[in-house]
Amino acid sequence: GENVGLHLPTLSVQEGDNSIINCAYSNSASDYFIWYKQESGKGPQFIIDIRSNMDKRQGQRVTVLLNKTVKHLSLQIAATQPGDSAVYFCAEILMDSSYKLIFGSGTRLLVRP
Amino acid sequence: EAEVAQSPRYKITEKSQAVAFWCDPISGHATLYWYRQILGQGPELLVQFQDESVVDDSQLPKDRFSAERLKGVDSTLKIQPAELGDSAMYLCASSFGERNTEAFFGQGTRLTVV
Repeated sequence: GENVGLHLPTLSVQEGDNSIINCAYSNSASDYFIWYKQESGKGPQFIIDIRSNMDKRQGQRVTVLLNKTVKHLSLQIAATQPGDSAVYFCAEILMDSSYKLIFGSGTRLLVRP
Repeated sequence: EAEVAQSPRYKITEKSQAVAFWCDPISGHATLYWYRQILGQGPELLVQFQDESVVDDSQLPKDRFSAERLKGVDSTLKIQPAELGDSAMYLCASSFGERNTEAFFGQGTRLTVV
């Protein structure tokens, strides 16, 4: 079925450390996986996506890893900054006729100074 | 910078009343989404438009919710009658097309039903 879930509801990291946010998915038909960042009082903001035929994709300070064998997705943030504090959602685009964008439940990232 | 505009930002309404939310997507974006987000949860897709056509409304409670995008540009989401459980953030998002992964979100409308 359609299910994008997350392992940890809250992650606390020291400023400057690397952060790893994990996500499990259940739908093998998903074509793309996407990470969104949502700051308090704002709508989600696109961070990075990865196509299902890829294992890794890098952006600016962020890396997304996809392990299709265990249906696991992760977002790595290098040198975490206070501005990275937010809720992070993984999402998937389902390969059906409507190409729906489906979100998981989110992980809150807290950056300690 | 182009943004998805939503109004109002906040709305308080009594149960059994009607309420409407408006969304103006980024110019040229063919796909428009309405999501409902309960505090502490991820956004839940209510309805998806491709131009003026509904392509998915499987999660829209059609007995009380309706959505339209008459000219394929801006959109309205209506709830009638509102129930206490409808209290949530209602988010609108848009993207260039069905196969574009980057959806841009508005700031949302925070609805409180009392």
